[in-house]
Amino acid sequence: DAGVIQSPRHEVTEMGQEVTLRCKPISGHDYLFWYRQTMMRGLELLIYFNNNVPIDDSGMPEDRFSAKMPNASFSTLKIQPSEPRDSAVYFCASSFPGHEQYFGPGTRLTVT
Amino acid sequence: EDQVTQSPEALRLQEGESSSLNCSYTVSGLRGLFWYRQDPGKGPEFLFTLYSAGEEKEKERLKATLTKKESFLHITAPKPEDSATYLCAVQAFSGGYNKLIFGAGTRLAVHP
Repeated sequence: DAGVIQSPRHEVTEMGQEVTLRCKPISGHDYLFWYRQTMMRGLELLIYFNNNVPIDDSGMPEDRFSAKMPNASFSTLKIQPSEPRDSAVYFCASSFPGHEQYFGPGTRLTVT
Repeated sequence: EDQVTQSPEALRLQEGESSSLNCSYTVSGLRGLFWYRQDPGKGPEFLFTLYSAGEEKEKERLKATLTKKESFLHITAPKPEDSATYLCAVQAFSGGYNKLIFGAGTRLAVHP
């Protein structure tokens, strides 16, 4: 398996623009997770899905953030409108129930 | 509140100088403790899972151990390629079956 795939790897955008991050989990994994990593706050869980259904979105910072999983092989994290404080590395991870999570390479987002 | 604390924040070793990283946790029921390695610009890479006090896991120069309050990652005769940030995460009953709570990490630098 190719592992978790994320795109784009880098995104630079201006404040107020919409940003969409994409993730393809490992085939067969039931769970998909979106994390954000910053120097100040470390690795934070934003939301996770089980069988394409959002289970816990308590980590989503604001209504500007939304995530979808239309099928078992694709998920998106959208920020609209983006702000400079959203600059971070966003990771997608997937796993079998209760097992270790496998992370993608991340998307480095810079909002100017 | 479930919490994970890693120490030290940063560690500098000479090649061959063995040492240990600490991960202490306060959780309401531990389901599992995970160690990950993260290289700059990459996603966390899974190393070990420990489930019960007294359990040990080994991989090359790394050995992870678990007690009721903390875990250690022992590095024996490290090499420069062991330089990375090591992250500890716990899976707690209170957080849900699949949520991981990450510590801030220990940045390890091994010099030749």
